[in-house]
Amino acid sequence: AQSVAQPEDQVNVAEGNPLTVKCTYSVSGNPYLFWYVQYPNRGLQFLLKYITGDNLVKGSYGFEAEFNKSQTSFHLKKPSALVSDSALYFCAVTVERGGSYIPTFGRGTSLIVHP
Amino acid sequence: DVKVTQSSRYLVKRTGEKVFLECVQDMDHENMFWYRQDPGLGLRLIYFSYDVKMKEKGDIPEGYSVSREKKERFSLILESASTNQTSMYLCASSLQGSTEAFFGQGTRLTVV
Repeated sequence: AQSVAQPEDQVNVAEGNPLTVKCTYSVSGNPYLFWYVQYPNRGLQFLLKYITGDNLVKGSYGFEAEFNKSQTSFHLKKPSALVSDSALYFCAVTVERGGSYIPTFGRGTSLIVHP
Repeated sequence: DVKVTQSSRYLVKRTGEKVFLECVQDMDHENMFWYRQDPGLGLRLIYFSYDVKMKEKGDIPEGYSVSREKKERFSLILESASTNQTSMYLCASSLQGSTEAFFGQGTRLTVV
């Protein structure tokens, strides 16, 4: 069965500093990996995805993520954090099941960017 | 833009009530999903549907049922609401064969 681990419940970073939110996954077969962001009392917004190709994926709002097959990781990064980046971040792996792709999520990481 | 609309943002229901959560998507997507979100547990799949009248159980289907009579609408039903079903419920949809899902704004359900 597929699974996603986000080892940190919370990440704290000062504004202007680089940030990393960690994600590791376990799947059989090819992983399709996603990052979503959730602001308070809102739904999930898509940030970026890895399907195939270049291991460094660029997404919305200056975020990027690096796919590392040997370490089964897909860490989210941003070179310079903003206070407005403070939110809940979810990593997900999507696995094919009977022709449909089903997202499985990690537990989420709360990112807090301090002014 | 894909739009997934959940009929209520906030709901308060009494224990034992039958509760309907409604979700509508406007992009002719075949797949629709219901998740519940709890702090520290992330999103857990309750049910999904890959076609009209077709459904499959997710990871936590106990206490829930679903209905998909039309392609655009997917309803989550709590037959007899309990306080441990207090949660945020998220609906999503996707095109058959696509890896990307689109989410609604969520319904925060409180059972008292």
